[in-house]
Amino acid sequence: GENVEQHPSTLSVQEGDSAVIKCTYSDSASNYFPWYKQELGKRPQLIIDIRSNVGEKKDQRIAVTLNKTAKHFSLHITETQPEDSAVYFCAAKPDYGQNFVFGPGTRLSVLP
Amino acid sequence: EAGVTQFPSHSVIEKGQTVTLRCDPISGHDNLYWYRRVMGKEIKFLLHFVKESKQDESGMPNNRFLAERTGGTYSTLKVQPAELEDSGVYFCASSQSPGRGYTFGSGTRLTVV
Repeated sequence: GENVEQHPSTLSVQEGDSAVIKCTYSDSASNYFPWYKQELGKRPQLIIDIRSNVGEKKDQRIAVTLNKTAKHFSLHITETQPEDSAVYFCAAKPDYGQNFVFGPGTRLSVLP
Repeated sequence: EAGVTQFPSHSVIEKGQTVTLRCDPISGHDNLYWYRRVMGKEIKFLLHFVKESKQDESGMPNNRFLAERTGGTYSTLKVQPAELEDSGVYFCASSQSPGRGYTFGSGTRLTVV
C-alpha cells in the first residue's frame, strides 16, 4: 500500500521568508495530492491540490510542485505571515483507492 | 453550505466504557470517511462509506470499533470497550466525489483515562 513521508516535522521561519515542506510517496499509482492546513483546535482544511498530470500549481502565496518520476511533491509558501502558522499535512490518493494516505504533518511556526 | 459537523467536540471516558461519536456530513455528500490522529501522529484512515454501505473498512483497528451509517445520512462510530490507546482526535470527512479533497469536520477529541 501507499506510504507517505513528510519533512521536516517542525519548521520555524521569520515572517516574510519562504517555507518549503516536502513529501514523498511510495505508490506510483497515486495520482492526486492534496495539502491540508490545520490551525490549532480547528479542522484540517484543503489549501491546494495537484493531480499527476500537472507539474506545478500556484494559488497566490502557495504553490505545489510534483515530480512523478522521483515520487515527491512539495508545498511552497512565500512571504509567510503569522497566520500561516499551523500543522500542514500532505496526502496521496492511489488511483485504485478511495481514501487518502496522509503524511505525519509539519508544524510550521512563523515568527514575527 | 453547512460544513461537516461532529459531536461531541470532546469526550473523556474511563477505560472499559463505551463512547459513540457522531458525524453529520455535508448534505448530498455520498462519501463519508472516518480518520483519527493519535498522539500527534499522522492522520490515519479508518473507513469509508458510500451512502449507507461500507466501501472500505481496512483501517478499523479492531472489533471494538463499530461504524454505522443508517439511511446514508449521518454516521456513528462506537468504541466499546474503550482502551487507553484509543485516545486521539477522530475526524470525519465527506466528499461529493471520491476523487477530490475532503471537507473535514472539527473532530472529536477522545480521552480515555
